[in-house]
Amino acid sequence: EVQLLESGGGLVQPGGSLRLSCEASGFIFRDYAMTWVRQAPGKGLEWVSAISGSGTETFYADSVKGRFTISRDSFKNTLYLQMNSLRAEDTALYYCAKGSYHNSYEAVYWGQGTLVTVSS
Amino acid sequence: DIQMTQSPSTLSASVGDRVTITCRASQSIKSWLAWSQQKPGKAPKLLISKASTLESGVPSRFSGSGSGTEFTLTISSLQPDDFATYYCQQYNSYPYIFGQGTKLESK
Repeated sequence: EVQLLESGGGLVQPGGSLRLSCEASGFIFRDYAMTWVRQAPGKGLEWVSAISGSGTETFYADSVKGRFTISRDSFKNTLYLQMNSLRAEDTALYYCAKGSYHNSYEAVYWGQGTLVTVSS
Repeated sequence: DIQMTQSPSTLSASVGDRVTITCRASQSIKSWLAWSQQKPGKAPKLLISKASTLESGVPSRFSGSGSGTEFTLTISSLQPDDFATYYCQQYNSYPYIFGQGTKLESK
């Protein structure tokens, strides 16, 4: 059974940093693209970042480019999102999602999310 | 960059109704479109991939169609469990964005 468990969220001041983790199980992690999607309170889904199965290709939404870094560790079966220079508008529930192939970026399976709150 | 436009943003319907949600892409995405359902307080769930392929376990009253720039999600006979918010996502090319969502509510 595919399982995705996000962690690392919390309250951070504007300008601060956080690193989110997504621990994966139930599938061969290195074989699948992974994605981060966020949802601000009461709003829709916003695609944030994606990484290929090998980790050689990474993609970012314009809203986070230059501030966020996606990475993965296939030995630990874990996806990461390093978030720097955080802003109030980054406040959201952050989901990780598994793709359907090593370079196919649709969100097939979702974790339950980790909440990031940026506030002074 | 590609834009995804979903309509309507809100849809009021009754149990038993046939409902259709539309998703339009600003450029061709071939058939690389997914539909997901989200209920309040829950993570989204994938219903349909590649525009028309029903995921395992998804009821057959859900169907998807379209290619290129125009796509539809149809629920043939609305059930009480179907009241939720629906999102399309394109995964043809970067950025792999979602539509704005359609909230399906009870009339």
